[in-house]
Amino acid sequence: DVKVTQSSRYLVKRTGEKVFLECVQDMDHENMFWYRQDPGLGLRLIYFSYDVKMKEKGDIPEGYSVSREKKERFSLILESASTNQTSMYLCASSFQEAFFGQGTRLTVV
Amino acid sequence: GENVEQHPSTLSVQEGDSAVIKCTYSDSASNYFPWYKQELGKRPQLIIDIRSNVGEKKDQRIAVTLNKTAKHFSLHITETQPEDSAVYFCAASRGNTGFQKLVFGTGTRLLVSP
Repeated sequence: DVKVTQSSRYLVKRTGEKVFLECVQDMDHENMFWYRQDPGLGLRLIYFSYDVKMKEKGDIPEGYSVSREKKERFSLILESASTNQTSMYLCASSFQEAFFGQGTRLTVV
Repeated sequence: GENVEQHPSTLSVQEGDSAVIKCTYSDSASNYFPWYKQELGKRPQLIIDIRSNVGEKKDQRIAVTLNKTAKHFSLHITETQPEDSAVYFCAASRGNTGFQKLVFGTGTRLLVSP
């Protein structure tokens, strides 16, 4: 079974904190993605990566950055968390079919 | 960039009826169109996909059709059952395995009543 694992299921952070969301996949996939899921807005692409150290902005990259130092790991960074970044964050990896992690529900207070 | 629109946002049907969800995409270079099902509290999972060289694909009670000229594709579920209740997402991407930007629609909440 393909596994995409996100480091935390639930996180509560304070405004202004630097937040790291980690994602690891075990299938040697080249493509990895970070989405945020909000009611009525679907899955919006934040960043994606098609190779180690390669990254591309998605549709809503503002306030986020990413890191992919190793093929299996893709990290999402909130440089200075704000309340409007409270959301469900989903990581995915793909060869053709995309496999999702279990999600991280982040609350910024 | 790619933009995917999905309709309707909610769909209520009686058990045994058919359900149809429609998506349109903007990038004519998109060539891969998957559909995902997300049950409450769970991660999205692929249920069916179609590539641009095919017009229709079926898998038991679900089917997907693609109209490249009109740039739209649809999910059809026949003989719906209560366990089909979930949020369904369409998506579109261009490129093959080495570079794949997967863009999703806003989702359709399907409710199947017994």
